[in-house]
Amino acid sequence: EVQLLESGGDLVQPGGSLRLSCAATGFALSTSAMNWVRQAPGKGLEWVSTLGSSGTDTYYADSVKGRFTISRDSSQNTLYLQMNSLGVEDTAVYHCARDVKGVFDCWGQGTLVTVSS
Amino acid sequence: EIVLTQSPATLSLSPGNRATLSCRASQSISSSLAWYQRKPGQPPRLLIYGVSNRATGIPARFSGSGSGTDFTLTISSLEPEDFAVYFCHQRSSWPRGTFGQGTKVEIK
Repeated sequence: EVQLLESGGDLVQPGGSLRLSCAATGFALSTSAMNWVRQAPGKGLEWVSTLGSSGTDTYYADSVKGRFTISRDSSQNTLYLQMNSLGVEDTAVYHCARDVKGVFDCWGQGTLVTVSS
Repeated sequence: EIVLTQSPATLSLSPGNRATLSCRASQSISSSLAWYQRKPGQPPRLLIYGVSNRATGIPARFSGSGSGTDFTLTISSLEPEDFAVYFCHQRSSWPRGTFGQGTKVEIK
């Protein structure tokens, strides 16, 4: 069974950093593009970043470009999101999602990131 | 950025009723539209992709239709487990995409 499990969410001060992880089971990350999607309190879902199946092509929403970095460790079958220079606007539940032909066919439960002083 | 507007925000229906959910795009998105279901405490579940294709394991009571800027998710006869939030998603310029705000289908 294909499953994704995020971790790493925490309370962090503005300007701080955090690394989120997404452990995949039931498939190899190297066979799919992968995404991070977030939902801020009371807001809709927002695409954050995509890592192509090659593991080298990366894409970011303008709101996080230059601050967030998506990557993976194929040996651990884990996707990461390194988040730097966090602001209150980054407070959200972050989901990882597998990308198959442009649709998110599997999502994780999400991990909560709270940016507050 | 393409904006997806879903209506209504809330749909109050009884089991057995037909549910019709709308998703309107601010510009044409061809066939790059998907629908997801979300229940409390669970991750989103893919229902429909490419406007009208049911994902694996999705019952036939779920159907999608539309083209251009206007799209519809229909649940032909609501089952108790169908009461949830539904949202649409477009990805006409992969990998960038946007989501609708969601329609909550609640028990009347």
